[in-house]
Amino acid sequence: ELKVEQNPLFLSMQEGKNYTIYCNYSTTSDRLYWYRQDPGKSLESLFVLLSNGAVKQEGRLMASLDTKARLSTLHITAAVHDLSATYFCAVDSNNDMRFGAGTRLTVKP
Amino acid sequence: EAQVTQNPRYLITVTGKKLTVTCSQNMNHEYMSWYRQDPGLGLRQIYYSMNVEVTDKGDVPEGYKVSRKEKRNFPLILESPSPNQTSLYFCASSLAFGTVNTEAFFGQGTRLTVV
Repeated sequence: ELKVEQNPLFLSMQEGKNYTIYCNYSTTSDRLYWYRQDPGKSLESLFVLLSNGAVKQEGRLMASLDTKARLSTLHITAAVHDLSATYFCAVDSNNDMRFGAGTRLTVKP
Repeated sequence: EAQVTQNPRYLITVTGKKLTVTCSQNMNHEYMSWYRQDPGLGLRQIYYSMNVEVTDKGDVPEGYKVSRKEKRNFPLILESPSPNQTSLYFCASSLAFGTVNTEAFFGQGTRLTVV
């Protein structure tokens, strides 16, 4: 059974600092997604990672995928308040799509 | 505008009263799915559909039904809702499953309360 674990589940950080969110999954997959959810809102696609070693960057966020380690990271550089949200990773493997529990990020001034 | 539309956005109902949450997408996507979101549990898949007349169970299908008679619509049916189905529900669609374009587009969510 595919399991997806994110950590940390809660992250409070100062503006300007760097941090990484981790997403581990339990079975073979080469497709991993990162989504952002603002309070009371729907999910917005951030990154689609489709192969081992894939790295994508958008603004202060960078996502990477290591399929051998079954690990994806979402790195935040010089955080700003606007990045406060909940971030989800999701993995699909053989028609089975699973989401992590989410990481609630709060960026403080 | 490309979008996934769910209705209603908010619904309060009583135990046992059948209800339907509608979902429609205008992107000609083959793959559609329903999730429920509960605190600390992330999103759990209820049902998914890979194309018209093709549906399958996700992680938590008990108490739910779906149908896919047309490509654009994928309603979620609760025949006899119970309080443990109180949750935030999301419909999602993507171009296809198992291909490079499986980025999902989500509806705005339906907050359901069963009393």
